[in-house]
Amino acid sequence: NAGVTQTPKFQVLKTGQSMTLQCAQDMNHEYMSWYRQDPGMGLRLIHYSVGAGITDQGEVPNGYNVSRSTTEDFPLRLLSAAPSQTSVYFCASKLYRALNTEAFFGQGTRLTVV
Amino acid sequence: GENVEQHPSTLSVQEGDSAVIKCTYSDSASNYFPWYKQELGKRPQLIIDIRSNVGEKKDQRIAVTLNKTAKHFSLHITETQPEDSAVYFCAAINNAGNMLTFGGGTRLMVKP
Repeated sequence: NAGVTQTPKFQVLKTGQSMTLQCAQDMNHEYMSWYRQDPGMGLRLIHYSVGAGITDQGEVPNGYNVSRSTTEDFPLRLLSAAPSQTSVYFCASKLYRALNTEAFFGQGTRLTVV
Repeated sequence: GENVEQHPSTLSVQEGDSAVIKCTYSDSASNYFPWYKQELGKRPQLIIDIRSNVGEKKDQRIAVTLNKTAKHFSLHITETQPEDSAVYFCAAINNAGNMLTFGGGTRLMVKP
């Protein structure tokens, strides 16, 4: 049981490049989400999904796209990276129908855009 | 949407002392309040949570209190140890269960 797995752990991009951050979970959680963590800003919600085929925007969605074709995977796409997207990105999953349950986080992806 | 404010942003205590971190939230419909601990370079991990129908919950040296009327909740750590040094985040989840909003974090430093 691996929990929530993110890849890659580190990435450097040039401004304007695109890339996909991968997130997979093996706990059969309906709910998956992406956060970014900037110094002194806590964790801010980018996008979330409550099940396959369903996605919605969080607090800071601009510049990011997501899709949810399976229960297990929830990739985050940066179409044209900008220095303002330099951050640590965390994927998290939890049960949804049970509403108030623990969210499990991946190990994070440290992204630098130069 | 929900807004969660957390204070203080940094807290330094002597080993053995108590530490208290406070959070306020804006959405009166929020009904679940978890606390996460994040060690340097690691992922956030749940340490304790409280639901809106409970006023206080305790787990060994940590406790959380909730005042729904005032819309604030607090984390209490007693007999602090150096391994308690980390960043602590409070959070609130909305009634629909689809938005988990975090406070800005508190960096706790426990000096031996």
